[in-house]
Amino acid sequence: NAGVTQTPKFQVLKTGQSMTLQCAQDMNHEYMSWYRQDPGMGLRLIHYSVGAGITDQGEVPNGYNVSRSTTEDFPLRLLSAAPSQTSVYFCASSYGGQGYEQYFGPGTRLTVT
Amino acid sequence: KQEVTQIPAALSVPEGENLVLNCSFTDSAIYNLQWFRQDPGKGLTSLLLIQSSQREQTSGRLNASLDKSSGRSTLYIAASQPGDSATYLCAPKHDYKLSFGAGTTVTVRA
Repeated sequence: NAGVTQTPKFQVLKTGQSMTLQCAQDMNHEYMSWYRQDPGMGLRLIHYSVGAGITDQGEVPNGYNVSRSTTEDFPLRLLSAAPSQTSVYFCASSYGGQGYEQYFGPGTRLTVT
Repeated sequence: KQEVTQIPAALSVPEGENLVLNCSFTDSAIYNLQWFRQDPGKGLTSLLLIQSSQREQTSGRLNASLDKSSGRSTLYIAASQPGDSATYLCAPKHDYKLSFGAGTTVTVRA
């Protein structure tokens, strides 16, 4: 199993550009989520999905969109990039909800100039 | 909103010393708690998952305890090695969501 994969590893955007961060998992996990990590702060939840076709907002959803059309993929879209979205983005997945271990991808480092 | 605090923020010890990393959280209504390791510029590696019904969980040199009612978890690392140098994160889970502290950065000196 490849586990949780994320592309790209690095990205530089100009303010106002849009892009999609890709996340895929090959473990048949129902639950997937996106976090951002900023220096000196804990990871913060952006959006999550409990299964194909079901998504919900986390702690910091503004400026981001998600959809979940398949079990394997959970892309994160930045609609109009802002410097405040400069961060490291992590995707995670788990087999189920409450009692299961979460597995994280390697991250995407995004810089918005 | 769950608040997670990890103390100390940084720790430097000589090789062979035992490590004690503390985590406290404000909402005791959790389903489980995970401890992660993060190396610089890398993703998170899961170390231990401790369910809310458990008091402790062990894996090799690692032992995690959980006192849900008081909102505390402790990660013990026995006989530390330079390869243990990393940032350690604790994350209680409630309602599908993990909440993270800022982590404890550990340096083990050879």
